Amino acid sequence: KNQVEQSPQSLIILEGKNCTLQCNYTVSPFSNLRWYKQDTGRGPVSLTIMTFSENTKSNGRYTATLDADTKQSSLHITASQLSDSASYICVVRVYTNAGKSTFGDGTTLTVKP
Amino acid sequence: EAQVTQNPRYLITVTGKKLTVTCSQNMNHEYMSWYRQDPGLGLRQIYYSMNVEVTDKGDVPEGYKVSRKEKRNFPLILESPSPNQTSLYFCASSPSRTGFHEQYFGPGTRLTVT
Repeated sequence: KNQVEQSPQSLIILEGKNCTLQCNYTVSPFSNLRWYKQDTGRGPVSLTIMTFSENTKSNGRYTATLDADTKQSSLHITASQLSDSASYICVVRVYTNAGKSTFGDGTTLTVKP
Repeated sequence: EAQVTQNPRYLITVTGKKLTVTCSQNMNHEYMSWYRQDPGLGLRQIYYSMNVEVTDKGDVPEGYKVSRKEKRNFPLILESPSPNQTSLYFCASSPSRTGFHEQYFGPGTRLTVT
């Protein structure tokens, strides 16, 4: 069964600090991986998308990496802000069925002043 | 404004009373999808549609129906709701069927079935 596992489940950091969130997947054949940010009670918003040929993708203070060989991705947040407090979700799509998305359970990030 | 809208945003209903949650997008997107989100389980795909009159099951389709008669609308139908369908529901759309474009999510519908 295709799965996406994220770690840690939750994380608390101080404002201004950096952090890294992890995503491991077993989805195959891999098509693309996307990181979403979801504020409490709202719909997810896309941060980055990467295909198997891409290693790094940045969006402002967010940098995602992908290692398609080990099936691992990470999301690095630089100089965190209070507004970064949210759930971060890793989503993987298979090449053979572009319509289906497999979501990780998310990492809940809390940034404290 | 480009957006995905869902109605209603909040709904409390009783077991067995048929209901429909509407989803509409104004971006001429081909792809639309429904998800449910439960604490500790993340987002799970219910149904998706690659285009008009084309729908397919996601990971948790039991107890739900959908239709795609027009490109902009993708309603979610619960013929006989049960308490285990109490959840937060999101509709999403995407410009293409390839999966390489981001999905735009609606604001969510919080459903409670008693």
